[in-house]
Amino acid sequence: QKEVEQDPGPLSVPEGAIVSLNCTYSNSAFQYFMWYRQYSRKGPELLMYTYSSGNKEDGRFTAQVDKSSKYISLFIRDSQPSDSATYLCAAPNTGNQFYFGTGTSLTVIP
Amino acid sequence: DVKVTQSSRYLVKRTGEKVFLECVQDMDHENMFWYRQDPGLGLRLIYFSYDVKMKEKGDIPEGYSVSREKKERFSLILESASTNQTSMYLCASSLLGQAPYEQYFGPGTRLTVT
Repeated sequence: QKEVEQDPGPLSVPEGAIVSLNCTYSNSAFQYFMWYRQYSRKGPELLMYTYSSGNKEDGRFTAQVDKSSKYISLFIRDSQPSDSATYLCAAPNTGNQFYFGTGTSLTVIP
Repeated sequence: DVKVTQSSRYLVKRTGEKVFLECVQDMDHENMFWYRQDPGLGLRLIYFSYDVKMKEKGDIPEGYSVSREKKERFSLILESASTNQTSMYLCASSLLGQAPYEQYFGPGTRLTVT
């Protein structure tokens, strides 16, 4: 079983829709959970992270972690064409190595 | 602002050639990483280094080697390139032991081996 698994998509939504991106993880020792965004032909960049369980909001983006079910989610409200990208969930271990999901490709149609 | 740069955005090499991919970061980070990214497989760790001259194998080190002679520079070497090494190669860096351990990525090198 992979340390972090991600719904592969691809996902295609109309502009203004609410988007839900999801991952699960297997290692209960993970404390930090990240979401990276990767535009086409670019490197990933950190979008946001959460520590332990709970929600974190940043503008139209909300990251949610449920440690009891080992579930990670990213919600995008009022999605825009500029949100079209691949989204990667990730969790680091204490050795600073990252475990990445395979990524979900999102297209927001104007 | 952290900057991670990679020597080439696109590279085309022939089977059997020795290939060097270079990565430089300007934020004095201890950790540096090399990944390859393939559709459906995501990011896979090839090698990482937490200090000068130190290296650790990742998940898929076969066919690759690395060199870290200076803190800011981490090189990935394909000793004898093969077509199954055609991929996007991403370099990343991070601070050692600094939660949340954010990794900063370079723009990537798309390598094609013919």
